Amino acid sequence: KAGVTQTPRYLIKTRGQQVTLSCSPISGHRSVSWYQQTPGQGLQFLFEYFSETQRNKGNFPGRFSGRQFSNSRSEMNVSTLELGDSALYLCASSLAGALDVDYGYTFGSGTRLTVV
Amino acid sequence: LAKTTQPISMDSYEGQEVNITCSHNNIATNDYITWYQQFPSQGPRFIIQGYKTKVTNEVASLFIPADRKSSTLSLPRVSLSDTAVYYCLVGGSTLGRLYFGRGTQLTVWP
Repeated sequence: KAGVTQTPRYLIKTRGQQVTLSCSPISGHRSVSWYQQTPGQGLQFLFEYFSETQRNKGNFPGRFSGRQFSNSRSEMNVSTLELGDSALYLCASSLAGALDVDYGYTFGSGTRLTVV
Repeated sequence: LAKTTQPISMDSYEGQEVNITCSHNNIATNDYITWYQQFPSQGPRFIIQGYKTKVTNEVASLFIPADRKSSTLSLPRVSLSDTAVYYCLVGGSTLGRLYFGRGTQLTVWP
């Protein structure tokens, strides 16, 4: 079966611009989580969506936002880009219906965002 | 949430067995132990998960002692393609959030 698909794979943006990243989860998976990975901070949780609702949010400024559509596809938006937003952005999907139960997560290959 | 401690880096040679140990002294009764592997510019990939004793799959083995305060990921006969970062996670997700530490950079040399 198809895995988690993230588009685009690479992106170069200028400071001050905004960007939208897309994530298509595995068919049937209703939970989509987003992570930012940088050499300095490692993997940091951004937010999680389940059935079009944001259930959890990490410690990131309001410039980082997301949404989930009825088909479970998710988008992440970053406005007013800063140089420090350069990172690998990963999404993961899971069946995860019940809370605090680990159904296992499948990650996409990520979007490499470079802000210049 | 149980904090994990694992070595920052390890080196090995092709064909050797590699054991990466993770300490998790505060593991809760209901917590599972999960290991992920990550290659550069890719997302983490699930390797193995266990609760106690020993679990084995086609990729690795996971050894968990009776007190469950540590766990050891065992990779038999590593190859160059096993060079990656390995993360030990303890506990289930919390509303979709997995708690990643800094992981162990394994480098396999020819």
